[in-house]
Amino acid sequence: KQEVTQIPAALSVPEGENLVLNCSFTDSAIYNLQWFRQDPGKGLTSLLLIQSSQREQTSGRLNASLDKSSGRSTLYIAASQPGDSATYLCAVRHGGGYQKVTFGTGTKLQVIP
Amino acid sequence: DADVTQTPRNRITKTGKRIMLECSQTKGHDRMYWYRQDPGLGLRLIYYSFDVKDINKGEISDGYSVSRQAQAKFSLSLESAIPNQTALYFCATSDTGRTGREGYTFGSGTRLTVV
Repeated sequence: KQEVTQIPAALSVPEGENLVLNCSFTDSAIYNLQWFRQDPGKGLTSLLLIQSSQREQTSGRLNASLDKSSGRSTLYIAASQPGDSATYLCAVRHGGGYQKVTFGTGTKLQVIP
Repeated sequence: DADVTQTPRNRITKTGKRIMLECSQTKGHDRMYWYRQDPGLGLRLIYYSFDVKDINKGEISDGYSVSRQAQAKFSLSLESAIPNQTALYFCATSDTGRTGREGYTFGSGTRLTVV
């Protein structure tokens, strides 16, 4: 059974700091890994998707890496801003015919001005 | 317009009432999903559909039913709402996953309160 863990559950940093969010998964046989952002009471916004054959993806100040062999992905946020405050979830697509997605429980990020 | 649209955005209903949540998408995806999100429990899958004639139960389907009216429309019904169905509900779509390129697209959610 695939298990996805995100540590820490919450993180508070001063504005301008570079930070790393972690996502670990137990089964390396994945199709892709997707990072989402969720604002309180809102939907999930896709940030980056890394296919199983890729090592990293970049979008603006965000960089996501994937190491399947160690079952880890990191989301790097450069020069954090108060507007980055949100919960960040990773989701791993895996499995057979259904290609199930397992979500982590998220890291709640607060960027302090 | 959003790729995945959910209606209503917020709803308060009474115990025992039937309620329908609607979802429509313009992504052209065959696969659609209904999730609920509760604090501390994360996202849990209620039902999923791979096409109009293929509907499957997820982890927590009891008390819910769905209808796939068309490729672009997937509705969730609570036949007789109860207070522990109070949650944030999300509709999502995805590609088939063969290429692994697209991933999931979520709607903005419906906040449902059962009193």
